[in-house]
Amino acid sequence: AQSVTQLGSHVSVSEGALVLLRCNYSSSVPPYLFWYVQYPNQGLQLLLKYTSAATLVKGINGFEAEFKKSETSFHLTKPSAHMSDAAEYFCAVSGAGRRALTFGSGTRLQVQP
Amino acid sequence: EAGVTQSPTHLIKTRGQQATLRCSPISGHTSVYWYQQALGLGLQFLLWYDEGEERNRGNFPPRFSGRQFPNYSSELNVNALELEDSALYLCASSLGTGPYEQYFGPGTRLTVT
Repeated sequence: AQSVTQLGSHVSVSEGALVLLRCNYSSSVPPYLFWYVQYPNQGLQLLLKYTSAATLVKGINGFEAEFKKSETSFHLTKPSAHMSDAAEYFCAVSGAGRRALTFGSGTRLQVQP
Repeated sequence: EAGVTQSPTHLIKTRGQQATLRCSPISGHTSVYWYQQALGLGLQFLLWYDEGEERNRGNFPPRFSGRQFPNYSSELNVNALELEDSALYLCASSLGTGPYEQYFGPGTRLTVT
């Protein structure tokens, strides 16, 4: 069975501050891990993916995530928040043979001016 | 390259009616996935189609069904609509080979009154 836990349903940061969104996963098989972003009334946009290559993954819009097997974590970071980063972020997991994504409950990021 | 498209954007139905939602995948993608995003319930996997066959379904009743056409487009049918079926229905597509990252459409907002 696979599951994803996102700590913090709401995160608020100041513009220019570090963004850290937490994701822990549980998977009985080596996982594929993903981060998606959803802007209001839109679909999901893929930010980045982990597929067992490099443990530090760089994505779009300056985001990156580090896969830590020992901590079963895949936290999303961005060095400097921008107002346009305000959105909801979802961590998701899939595994070999199970291609359906299992999503976390999401973290709403608010960026204060 | 055109992304995943979905139609209609909005759909309003009455309880007991049937709804049909449509999805066109990215060119070259053979797999189509359907997800439900209902208020308070998060993103839940509904159905996965690949090469015209239903490969997996989530924990939803049989009145949720669909199909995939030879051109890989897909439709989702929801019969005997209930009020709790009101949600954003998201379609995603992926290649038929790993790591199967999924690209999402903008969604269809279904409202059941």
